[in-house]
Amino acid sequence: TQLLEQSPQFLSIQEGENLTVYCNSSSVFSSLQWYRQEPGEGPVLLVTVVTGGEVKKLKRLTFQFGDARKDSSLHITAAQPGDTGLYLCAGQSYNNNDMRFGAGTRLTVKP
Amino acid sequence: EAQVTQNPRYLITVTGKKLTVTCSQNMNHEYMSWYRQDPGLGLRQIYYSMNVEVTDKGDVPEGYKVSRKEKRNFPLILESPSPNQTSLYFCASGRARVSHNTEAFFGQGTRLTVV
Repeated sequence: TQLLEQSPQFLSIQEGENLTVYCNSSSVFSSLQWYRQEPGEGPVLLVTVVTGGEVKKLKRLTFQFGDARKDSSLHITAAQPGDTGLYLCAGQSYNNNDMRFGAGTRLTVKP
Repeated sequence: EAQVTQNPRYLITVTGKKLTVTCSQNMNHEYMSWYRQDPGLGLRQIYYSMNVEVTDKGDVPEGYKVSRKEKRNFPLILESPSPNQTSLYFCASGRARVSHNTEAFFGQGTRLTVV
């Protein structure tokens, strides 16, 4: 059982569409991070959210941390083929900053 | 250039033959961790280390060993590899206990096949 559940597992959309992916847990985290991974590479950090209810924007990507610090969402507006990749969320525990990852959402944006 | 370096990138080995995957970081990070990535299961933590000589089990430590004798190196050891350890392995490093914004920097990955 994953500590962090991500949904959907796979998502295939057309260029220009909007989408939201989710990261949920029963645990409370000190912070939550979103990473993007491309084939043959390690994950690369997109954003860190720290405060419950926090919203951060990175161009067409909007990240939100749940009020209870147990969940997060990533919304992409007007998706482009360059957004294709595996999106991973990672929760950081309070006691030792150790990080656990979700299984990821594999996004494909078709031209 | 700040980086995490894993070697080898690809390895095919036989069941039972001991192997070591090396990981080195040049960012003076306290925290280092090993993950394996399998389809549908995402990144699962094997072992992590909060500092030199401090290591802890992650979610899937069986069949693996690690050591942290120096800050920059965190090798992953498979004493007797088995086919179910065929996977893509990632090493990561980050600052620890400094703030809540510990970014994990990942290596390029090691694709291991055990036949």
